[in-house]
Order: sequence, then C-alpha cells, then structure tokens
Amino acid sequence: ETGVTQSPTHLIKTRGQQVTLRCSSQSGHNTVSWYQQALGQGPQFIFQYYREEENGRGNFPPRFSGLQFPNYSSELNVNALELDDSALYLCASSQGTSGRARDTGELFFGEGSRLTVL
Amino acid sequence: AQSVAQPEDQVNVAEGNPLTVKCTYSVSGNPYLFWYVQYPNRGLQFLLKYITGDNLVKGSYGFEAEFNKSQTSFHLKKPSALVSDSALYFCAVRAASGGSYIPTFGRGTSLIVHP
Repeated sequence: ETGVTQSPTHLIKTRGQQVTLRCSSQSGHNTVSWYQQALGQGPQFIFQYYREEENGRGNFPPRFSGLQFPNYSSELNVNALELDDSALYLCASSQGTSGRARDTGELFFGEGSRLTVL
Repeated sequence: AQSVAQPEDQVNVAEGNPLTVKCTYSVSGNPYLFWYVQYPNRGLQFLLKYITGDNLVKGSYGFEAEFNKSQTSFHLKKPSALVSDSALYFCAVRAASGGSYIPTFGRGTSLIVHP
C-alpha cells in the first residue's frame, strides 16, 4: 500500500507567477483534500475533491483552483501568486462514501510542498 | 461555525513524566474529534479519534485522549513521555451530522520532552 505523495517538495516563485502542486492519493482512497499551513499555524482547508468533483471549499479566493483525475490523484493550482501564499501545502487523502456525513475516517497526509513566494 | 482551541503554544515535560496537551472545541451537535502529530518538515500523522462510545480513546504510540462533553474538551495524554514524542500536535473537530464534514484544525501545540 503506497502512501500519499506530493511534488515538488520545495519550490520558489515570484509574485504574479502561477504554480501547480501535485498529489497522489493513498491506494484505495477516492477523496483528496488540500490544506495550507502557514508558519506557526494549523492547516487551513482549501478544498476537497471526491470522485473528481469539488466537494467543499474553504475561505480561499478563486485563484486557488484544483482538479482530481480518474485515478484520484489531484492538482492544486494557484494563479497570481502573492507573498502571503508562502506556506506548506498539504494534501490529504481519505476513503469517502456517498453519504458524506457518515465518513468518520482520518486523513492521511503527504509530506507537503513548501512554497516560497518572493 | 466549528472551531478548536489549543490554549498552550508549548508544553514542556521531562522524560518519563506524564504529559497532557489540551484541546477544547465548539461544534453544532455531536463532534468527531481527532489528534494528529507533525514532526519537523513532515506532514501530519493520525494519532487517534473519537467518534462515539467510550470517552477514553487509545491511539498510536501509547497516546490516549479523553472526551468530555460537558467541558467540550478532548485532551491528549500519555502516562510516560519519551524524548521522541517531541513534535507539534494538532487537535481537529468536525460535526457528526449536518454542518461541515470538513475537519477544522487548531493552531497546534509544540510538545518538548526534555531528557
């Protein structure tokens, strides 16, 4: 059973640029959630994908977008980067069901992609 | 809206002593509660969860947590701390039904275990 993998592990961008972060979910998981973790803070929910459809979104602007592929891997795209976007971006996978409220499972996190915006 | 408070930014304990990392929560209805641990430059790892049933939940690495509904708390405990337990600990909550099924995380508590 493979765990959650994220790429790249580190990257540096400048303001205004665009970035794509990638995540491969754990084998057997159909749900991917993305979180932003700023230094000294807890993870903040960006959005979640369940079976290729966005299934919840946190308080992030539209320049944060994503998608999920048929193999349940996922991408996070951020356009028009700002300095405050510098953070650790975490991907978490889980096994969801059609009845979302019944999902009681824990999240399995990747090691994150650390983005620095200069 | 659901929320989590971890009132201590840092907890210091000597190796071999018991440890407690505090968490209080706010959620509509019954909660699902989680503890995660994060080692430096790593992602979060699941430790334990409370869904229903026994208020004392046992998890990985000898950790346990006690759910207290009247105090809306879910404190993490371990009878005897190890230096290797030093890490960042996050409490998370979501509603059992209705509301958001997305867990909300606290700001984290840095646990430092001294030899």
